[in-house]
Amino acid sequence: AAGVIQSPRHLIKEKRETATLKCYPIPRHDTVYWYQQGPGQDPQFLISFYEKMQSDKGSIPDRFSAQQFSDYHSELNMSSLELGDSALYFCASSSSPGGFTEAFFGQGTRLTVV
Amino acid sequence: GQQVMQIPQYQHVQEGEDFTTYCNSSTTLSNIQWYKQRPGGHPVFLIQLVKSGEVKKQKRLTFQFGEAKKNSSLHITATQTTDVGTYFCAGAGTGNQFYFGTGTSLTVIP
Repeated sequence: AAGVIQSPRHLIKEKRETATLKCYPIPRHDTVYWYQQGPGQDPQFLISFYEKMQSDKGSIPDRFSAQQFSDYHSELNMSSLELGDSALYFCASSSSPGGFTEAFFGQGTRLTVV
Repeated sequence: GQQVMQIPQYQHVQEGEDFTTYCNSSTTLSNIQWYKQRPGGHPVFLIQLVKSGEVKKQKRLTFQFGEAKKNSSLHITATQTTDVGTYFCAGAGTGNQFYFGTGTSLTVIP
C-alpha cells in the first residue's frame, strides 16, 4: 500500500540558508500535518492543511511557511535557518481532519543545520 | 495551549514484566490516539479511543480512556523485546491538529 512519501530523507544546510521539504500524502487523503521532532523530544505540531487550505497552526516559526498544492502534496519552506532548526521533520496525512482518524506518518526528513 | 503529559518518561523492565504509561491532558479531548515510535523510526498508529471510559485491547496491549476524557493509559502485559520503543499518546482537541504527549521510552531487558 502507498505510504506518505517525504523528500529529501536527509538534508544538510548552512546557517541562514533556506530549505524546502516535500510531502506526498497517501492518495485520497485530504489532510496533511507537519511535525518537528528534536532529539529525544516528542513531535511538536507545526501546521496542518485540509483541502489545500491551512487549517491550524502550532509552534511554527515565522521564518517557516507551508502550503498544500492542488495535488494535495505539501511543502514546508524554511528560511534563515538556525542551528536550532536541526531536527527530524515528519509529515503525516489522514483521510479526514480534526484528528478523528489515524495519521500515517512519513519516514521523515532529517535536517542538519551547520 | 493544550498540554499532554505522559509519565513515566523512561521505563526499564525485565522481559516478561508488565508496563504501563499514563497520559494526562490539561483539557478535555475529543479523542486520543496512541502511537509507537521505534528508535530511528517514525510514529506508527496503534489505536484510537473516542468514548468516555472506553477500553480496547490488542493482544497484550490494553488501552483506556478516562471518564472525563482527560487521561488515558496503555498497559502492556508480559513485555517482550519487540515492545521496545517510545509510546506517545496524541490528543485531539478542537481544530485540525492533535498534540503528542511527552512520550514514554520503554526498554526491555532480555
